[in-house]
Amino acid sequence: DGGITQSPKYLFRKEGQNVTLSCEQNLNHDAMYWYRQDPGQGLRLIYYSQIVNDFQKGDIAEGYSVSREKKESFPLTVTSAQKNPTAFYLCASAEGPRNYGYTFGSGTRLTVV
Amino acid sequence: SQQGEEDPQALSIQEGENATMNCSYKTSINNLQWYRQNSGRGLVHLILIRSNEREKHSGRLRVTLDTSKKSSSLLITASRAADTASYFCATAEFGTGTASKLTFGTGTRLQVTL
Repeated sequence: DGGITQSPKYLFRKEGQNVTLSCEQNLNHDAMYWYRQDPGQGLRLIYYSQIVNDFQKGDIAEGYSVSREKKESFPLTVTSAQKNPTAFYLCASAEGPRNYGYTFGSGTRLTVV
Repeated sequence: SQQGEEDPQALSIQEGENATMNCSYKTSINNLQWYRQNSGRGLVHLILIRSNEREKHSGRLRVTLDTSKKSSSLLITASRAADTASYFCATAEFGTGTASKLTFGTGTRLQVTL
């Protein structure tokens, strides 16, 4: 079955550490997105990519980095520069730039300990 | 930035009743979409309505769009306990480049009780 896989489901980070969240899709979608969701809030866009080796900052990119070396993979690194990283992170993909609906992964819950 | 604001923030109804959620947005859009999120899970795409459409149906879902008021509503008819979830509207803006992105609202938490 096609879909998006995010791993791990739960992640704990110590202060000052970088952590990488994985996002893999087998839908052959061109566009991929990372969103952050805080409790009781909507989703805020961190980074997005329309094509391999290209990506753009979203609304809250500071303290995060991404890469898009393969079409099916779009990992997100939460760096130590992100002062409040505890949140639920969602990865999504869409068929093309003029997408008509996103497919979401099941999310990674990151907690700073 | 949050494009959409949903109203109400929370809604509790009994099974069999209809649920209506509203979404307001700020800028011109290409289309508006509604998503459902079960607790602790990813979002699921429900329905899309284009800016030149006024109403759309999908099963028990009915979506309306009023671009003059920059607002949309989602109606779920004959609700079931399984409809309990958070519902988000999202607006799509197509910029000068090829990139498109969705901006999500703050969501409505729907509780359907037996």
